[in-house]
Amino acid sequence: ETGVTQTPRHLVMGMTNKKSLKCEQHLGHNAMYWYKQSAKKPLELMFVYNFKEQTENNSVPSRFSPECPNSSHLFLHLHTLQPEDSALYLCASSQDLTLVNSPLHFGNGTRLTVT
Amino acid sequence: AQKITQTQPGMFVQEKEAVTLDCTYDTSDQSYGLFWYKQPSSGEMIFLIYQGSYDEQNATEGRYSLNFQKARKSANLVISASQLGDSAMYFCAMREGRGNTDKLIFGTGTRLQVFP
Repeated sequence: ETGVTQTPRHLVMGMTNKKSLKCEQHLGHNAMYWYKQSAKKPLELMFVYNFKEQTENNSVPSRFSPECPNSSHLFLHLHTLQPEDSALYLCASSQDLTLVNSPLHFGNGTRLTVT
Repeated sequence: AQKITQTQPGMFVQEKEAVTLDCTYDTSDQSYGLFWYKQPSSGEMIFLIYQGSYDEQNATEGRYSLNFQKARKSANLVISASQLGDSAMYFCAMREGRGNTDKLIFGTGTRLQVFP
């Protein structure tokens, strides 16, 4: 299997639930990212990890909790979400965090609906 | 201030014709990279083409080319010989240098529809 894989593809959860999104990359990249894509808004960067260390938290509410156990896996733990958190959550990876010419490779995303 | 501006919310093009999707950017860095991504209805963001700020030639990848005009800060995507499968959202993005390379900033996108 190659590329960036996200599971689940779709998730419906209540505001009191706890769930996790999973991302796995098979590209040998060192950096991983979480983005949020809401309707009619630009993609919003949430978190960045480089060699398992978090380098960016873009003022994300604490109800979103990332975890990066190794360079190939990234999780986003969700708890007590709000309906406005409903969005497409995209995971991405890149070879190098320091080079401007290093493209991000994205997964298919998880479509999250909070009821 | 908006870093990446895509002024065309939607574009239509007939199959086999060429289409240009506009993108302007704002940065004070000398070193930066510009990217275009395609997002079909399936949701995946597909990397199409890259242009570096120091590249003297316009980037090309198959039917995709980037019309890079540095002085005007524009990086328009040109798709030649459009195909029905090109119908998707297209996003322009920028990665700045000097300590901000971990951020890829996206525009709001342009929805392209190719008709027969």
